[in-house]
Amino acid sequence: GDSVTQMEGPVTLSEEAFLTINCTYTATGYPSLFWYVQYPGEGLQLLLKATKADDKGSNKGFEATYRKETTSFHLEKGSVQVSDSAVYFCALIGSGNTGKLIFGQGTTLQVKP
Amino acid sequence: DGGITQSPKYLFRKEGQNVTLSCEQNLNHDAMYWYRQDPGQGLRLIYYSQIVNDFQKGDIAEGYSVSREKKESFPLTVTSAQKNPTAFYLCASSIRAGEETQYFGPGTRLLVL
Repeated sequence: GDSVTQMEGPVTLSEEAFLTINCTYTATGYPSLFWYVQYPGEGLQLLLKATKADDKGSNKGFEATYRKETTSFHLEKGSVQVSDSAVYFCALIGSGNTGKLIFGQGTTLQVKP
Repeated sequence: DGGITQSPKYLFRKEGQNVTLSCEQNLNHDAMYWYRQDPGQGLRLIYYSQIVNDFQKGDIAEGYSVSREKKESFPLTVTSAQKNPTAFYLCASSIRAGEETQYFGPGTRLLVL
């Protein structure tokens, strides 16, 4: 079945460091891919998405490119801030048109001043 | 403001008790979803509804029930049959099921007394 694998955390960075969170997926067809962010005690917020191969999603300085050849959707940011500290989830919409989101296990990012 | 509201923020359940979590949206979305989040894990789908008066089981529906009598409301009941209900419950909605972006509410944390 469809699945998403994220790099394990926590990831600890200093402010202004470069961020990469790896995400790979297994799916039939051409799934839509998403990054969600969750701040402590809150629900999930959509960070960015891509719906077809080679699309680049971007928002708030974060970027991710849909790479079908490597089945990856890695999240990057050039310069992180303390306020970026959160849990990041990679997800895809599974096949079958149910709209079911399939999530990775989440990666905790801690940014220190 | 349009959005998704969940209530209560915290809910306590006694042994053998059924409890109901509320989810309301004013986004005019057709599709609604319930997910469960356990510590250090991604989200898992409990139930989803693609349209009013219709709903389908997700991956972990046992011990839960839902209704969809109104477009804007999708309450989740955690029954006494759910032996491990302690978790963070998130409701989401999308314009329609399929490949559309899902928007999440703030969540309800359920604890067992």
